[in-house]
Amino acid sequence: SAVISQKPSRDICQRGTSLTIQCQVDSQVTMMFWYRQQPGQSLTLIATANQGSEATYESGFVIDKFPISRPNLTFSTLTVSNMSPEDSSIYLCSVGGQETQYFGPGTRLLVL
Amino acid sequence: EDQVTQSPEALRLQEGESSSLNCSYTVSGLRGLFWYRQDPGKGPEFLFTLYSAGEEKEKERLKATLTKKESFLHITAPKPEDSATYLCAVRSTTDSWGKFQFGAGTQVVVTP
Repeated sequence: SAVISQKPSRDICQRGTSLTIQCQVDSQVTMMFWYRQQPGQSLTLIATANQGSEATYESGFVIDKFPISRPNLTFSTLTVSNMSPEDSSIYLCSVGGQETQYFGPGTRLLVL
Repeated sequence: EDQVTQSPEALRLQEGESSSLNCSYTVSGLRGLFWYRQDPGKGPEFLFTLYSAGEEKEKERLKATLTKKESFLHITAPKPEDSATYLCAVRSTTDSWGKFQFGAGTQVVVTP
């Protein structure tokens, strides 16, 4: 299994600002995934990030709101732009293949 | 549309009191069913992958089973350290690579 780290682990932000979340993996992986887990709810896939290509966004998520970078095979960033209180969630990155996905520890975001 | 429903939402057990969690799913074609454990403030931790009806997997006090419509996670003689939220997810044969559909989870509390 991969070891995944995320920065920051938590943050409190003001509405209208943006936050960039970093995800680092200890091995090279083809695909990385970004999820959102809103309070008391299930995990929802935001987008899939491949190295060297545009991220693929799920229905309801757009690049202008959640721009993603994937500069190499061990690193990705997710930016939450122009934040509102509704963006308060845990944001998780994950990596995996056919068998399963492994998750990072998450970034807990509170927007005031 | 793929759906995953977990029940109960919450479960309170005495130490040693065995019980089962349910995960009902609807998918066009099952590529795999996954169980995760999530502790507060942490990312989901992978437990099991099941691929076909009749398959069973075990790990310590946990046993996962799979039918064509649902999966059960049996907790035998639980201990307080088994307290966590247990998440079920499915991958469909028709979904894009890596798209997991998660259930809302079952929060388990085991008291001494």
